[in-house]
Amino acid sequence: SQQGEEDPQALSIQEGENATMNCSYKTSINNLQWYRQNSGRGLVHLILIRSNEREKHSGRLRVTLDTSKKSSSLLITASRAADTASYFCATAYTGTASKLTFGTGTRLQVTL
Amino acid sequence: GAVVSQHPSRVICKSGTSVKIECRSLDFQATTMFWYRQFPKKSLMLMATSNEGSKATYEQGVEKDKFLINHASLTLSTLTVTSAHPEDSSFYICSARDLDGEAFFGQGTRLTVV
Repeated sequence: SQQGEEDPQALSIQEGENATMNCSYKTSINNLQWYRQNSGRGLVHLILIRSNEREKHSGRLRVTLDTSKKSSSLLITASRAADTASYFCATAYTGTASKLTFGTGTRLQVTL
Repeated sequence: GAVVSQHPSRVICKSGTSVKIECRSLDFQATTMFWYRQFPKKSLMLMATSNEGSKATYEQGVEKDKFLINHASLTLSTLTVTSAHPEDSSFYICSARDLDGEAFFGQGTRLTVV
């Protein structure tokens, strides 16, 4: 299976703290994307980072990509209760026509 | 951003019946759509890649005759779960890829087979 691994599986923090989630994958990729999913809902695209990029920012989100280690991290700064959700990384592997393979996900709980 | 509409959001059906789920790209054309299945508190597992005007490509272990996919136009793909059984109960999500390669997801369909 090419499915990536994410850690931690679950993360509980207090509002205002930063949350860091990590994703590892297995083979060469075209890009890596992060998604958010609220319970029982569809996925919301957060950010896409291409294989030739190392870091990308979007608002309170910061994503890094290390292709030598086949890993990526998502940092959410100054977390809010509304950030509570599951977060998935998804990789588009080279030669698979943008077929996305999802990681196992991190369930983030932000408490007041 | 682009919008993908998935319908219905919830469906309950009896064992042995078939259920059709629709996935529409509302403001862009999608030559490729993807169908995923998600079990509770688990990740998304790709079931098949739906190509407009041609046969779908199924992932290993997914029964083609069980999960019928039709992609008759550039904005619509359908997944039909045939002769549904309780073990088919799951959350099904579609996605459509735009010309830039970004994937947009539908809201998902919660299927319960009783």
